[in-house]
Amino acid sequence: RKEVEQDPGPFNVPEGATVAFNCTYSNSASQSFFWYRQDCRKEPKLLMSVYSSGNEDGRFTAQLNRASQYISLLIRDSKLSDSATYLCVVKEGGGYNKLIFGAGTRLAVHP
Amino acid sequence: DTAVSQTPKYLVTQMGNDKSIKCEQNLGHDTMYWYKQDSKKFLKIMFSYNNKELIINETVPNRFSPKSPDKAHLNLHINSLELGDSAVYFCASSQVARDTEAFFGQGTRLTVV
Repeated sequence: RKEVEQDPGPFNVPEGATVAFNCTYSNSASQSFFWYRQDCRKEPKLLMSVYSSGNEDGRFTAQLNRASQYISLLIRDSKLSDSATYLCVVKEGGGYNKLIFGAGTRLAVHP
Repeated sequence: DTAVSQTPKYLVTQMGNDKSIKCEQNLGHDTMYWYKQDSKKFLKIMFSYNNKELIINETVPNRFSPKSPDKAHLNLHINSLELGDSAVYFCASSQVARDTEAFFGQGTRLTVV
């Protein structure tokens, strides 16, 4: 089983659509959780951290379920500029501070 | 001001050569990483240094040798390059504190011919 698994995608959606990405992780001792965004031929950049109580940043909502080891990202009112690969990232503690990336889910928003 | 900078951005070299990639961060972070992104776009950790000490060494061939002269720098030297080493190599940095994110350099696209 992969350490971090994501929907394979790609997701092709029209502008204005709502799209949800799912992610599961295998290590129950994982400490922190993030969604990163990576544009074509660019470096990954933080989209948002994911907190236990769930959190929202504008059109983006992230949820964490520690019991199920499940993370989600909801994007409302999709824009063309949201087209990118979304990476689920889990940070392991224990002094290792290791960031483990999912394979990413590609989103293409069309007019 | 670039937070994490790595050089070169592109590197094309022949099989068997030795090459280095340099990385510097000006964020005052205590942890630096090297990640490899292969042709399938999967980002895999290679090494992690905390305060100049190697703390993560994934199953990477020993042709790859990281060096951290100080907290702000982490270089990657690769000996006897092989075709399969072709990938994008990303340097990143973060703080060891729990919820802090990692910042990435722009990547070095290595092509071995």
